Amino acid sequence: GENVEQHPSTLSVQEGDSAVIKCTYSDSASNYFPWYKQELGKGPQLIIDIRSNVGEKKDQRIAVTLNKTAKHFSLHITETQPEDSAVYFCAAHSSGSARQLTFGSGTQLTVLP
Amino acid sequence: DAGVIQSPRHEVTEMGQEVTLRCKPISGHNSLFWYRQTMMRGLELLIYFNNNVPIDDSGMPEDRFSAKMPNASFSTLKIQPSEPRDSAVYFCASSSLTGAGYTFGSGTRLTVV
Repeated sequence: GENVEQHPSTLSVQEGDSAVIKCTYSDSASNYFPWYKQELGKGPQLIIDIRSNVGEKKDQRIAVTLNKTAKHFSLHITETQPEDSAVYFCAAHSSGSARQLTFGSGTQLTVLP
Repeated sequence: DAGVIQSPRHEVTEMGQEVTLRCKPISGHNSLFWYRQTMMRGLELLIYFNNNVPIDDSGMPEDRFSAKMPNASFSTLKIQPSEPRDSAVYFCASSSLTGAGYTFGSGTRLTVV
């Protein structure tokens, strides 16, 4: 089955700096890669996703890049703000019969004012 | 849409008691997932349903856990008897069969004493 590894587990940045979180996946058939943000006491919320036919996608201050050859994808947050502080999860989804996402272990991002 | 609705938000019960967690998926979503989240193990998929039919329950930890989806708008996760190690946050998520992104509920924080 799919295996997703996520790094780093914790990340602290100064407000205004950029943050990068990286994930690798094992199943070359995976074709959909969402990122979720989980704030304290809440469920994970989808913030951006990318499909395997696209190399990069941006939405305001966040962007995701995908390298299918290397089987890794990354989340980039620019001009970080304190409200970006949360746990971020990457995930991978394959098109096989098992329609389920495999999640990374999460990254606790802290944006220091 | 009100999103995925879970109840109760918090549950404290004594060891040995039966616990029932409830979930109402987003209308029109055909897939429903139950996850458990702990610090040690992260997000674990317990079971998922497509069109109310259980597809994969390999993540259900023991026979003490059972899940049902009697119709498209309701699912339950039952633990009987409950044990302290079942203490965790349980999330329900739903998605459409044509899409791949999940929408999570706010979770049920279960404490078994």
